[in-house]
Amino acid sequence: AQSVTQLGSHVSVSEGALVLLRCNYSSSVPPYLFWYVQYPNQGLQLLLKYTSAATLVKGINGFEAEFKKSETSFHLTKPSAHMSDAAEYFCAVSEGRGGGFKTIFGAGTRLFVKA
Amino acid sequence: SQTIHQWPATLVQPVGSPLSLECTVEGTSNPNLYWYRQAAGRGLQLLFYSIGIDQISSEVPQNLSASRPQDRQFILSSKKLLLSDSGFYLCAWSVSGGARTGELFFGEGSRLTVL
Repeated sequence: AQSVTQLGSHVSVSEGALVLLRCNYSSSVPPYLFWYVQYPNQGLQLLLKYTSAATLVKGINGFEAEFKKSETSFHLTKPSAHMSDAAEYFCAVSEGRGGGFKTIFGAGTRLFVKA
Repeated sequence: SQTIHQWPATLVQPVGSPLSLECTVEGTSNPNLYWYRQAAGRGLQLLFYSIGIDQISSEVPQNLSASRPQDRQFILSSKKLLLSDSGFYLCAWSVSGGARTGELFFGEGSRLTVL
């Protein structure tokens, strides 16, 4: 079975500082990995995805993530935080089963950005 | 372009009353459809997924049911709501067939409060 662990339910950074949100996964097959962002009372929006191409993936809003198979990690980074980055972030892994495609989500990390 | 809509956006219902949340997708055919629930401070729990009309898979035993009467319509229902059914419900779709990667496209969410 696949699973996702996000380290830290809350992360606080100062505006302009590095953002690092950690994600580790387990999978018995090569995974597809995702980061989604959720603003209050809204649905989730895809930030970026890894689908077995380049291991360093660039997404929207200046975010990027690196797939490290040896560490089973897919950490999300952004060089300089902006106030608008304050949101909840979810790491996810997908698997194929029975023609459908289940996606398993981590518990989420809420990012706070201080002025 | 593809769009997904779900309604109502907010709902306050008494314990024991029925529930119907509706989700429709436009601009694509034969999508995989999903219902997730997000409880306060927790991640996303997959409730149901569907790979076709009248093909529903339930992930957890619960007080809820799902139906897919048309290709791009997905309905979440309950005959008698419980307090524990409160939460934020998210409908999502993904591409089916060989082009799938598991990327999910989410609706705006429906916040249900059971009193």
